[in-house]
Amino acid sequence: GAVVSQHPSWVICKSGTSVKIECRSLDFQATTMFWYRQFPKQSLMLMATSNEGSKATYEQGVEKDKFLINHASLTLSTLTVTSAHPEDSSFYICSASGLAGAAYQETQYFGPGTRLLVL
Amino acid sequence: QKEVEQNSGPLSVPEGAIASLNCTYSDRGSQSFFWYRQYSGKSPELIMFIYSNGDKEDGRFTAQLNKASQYVSLLIRDSQPSDSATYLCAVRYSSASKIIFGSGTRLSIRP
Repeated sequence: GAVVSQHPSWVICKSGTSVKIECRSLDFQATTMFWYRQFPKQSLMLMATSNEGSKATYEQGVEKDKFLINHASLTLSTLTVTSAHPEDSSFYICSASGLAGAAYQETQYFGPGTRLLVL
Repeated sequence: QKEVEQNSGPLSVPEGAIASLNCTYSDRGSQSFFWYRQYSGKSPELIMFIYSNGDKEDGRFTAQLNKASQYVSLLIRDSQPSDSATYLCAVRYSSASKIIFGSGTRLSIRP
């Protein structure tokens, strides 16, 4: 149980284009999803927290107009990197936690990550 | 500001020995504690969570929690080369708050 998927796993795009990454909880309903970014040999950096049906909460220093997050259902959240530039190249990882009262709410389960390369 | 501290390592342990990973946290009211393992180039995967003082065992892994001293540790018995990874300690203050991650300890098991 507690499986989180991400799509795509790899994406290469040209500078200036937008890229959408999907995060799905496959076997539980996720009230809260988190988006992280990780550069090589560095720690996880939380970008934003999204709750189903409401606006995402962004961490300090993360541009909300550049990293658009939508959490339209209890099983799907999307991150759109708008007008991507080479410095946005990174490993983007989502995680999800479940509904109140469910065992899954007790922790966060991570998706496999999406590696983005902007040329 | 709530913080979670870990020694970055690398921690080198011979195969078959016990690896001991430690973590301290700043918020005395923290309630939930987690250990994740992250292989190079992969996303973190949950190893264990612990809520109560004392030890919790799962196979070769034992999590130890001491709320009075504000530390949590992970013991790995009979270490294997496949245990070589970065281990992330994570702490949640309450069920409504987000998990705070440490920066991780890199563990290397030498044959």
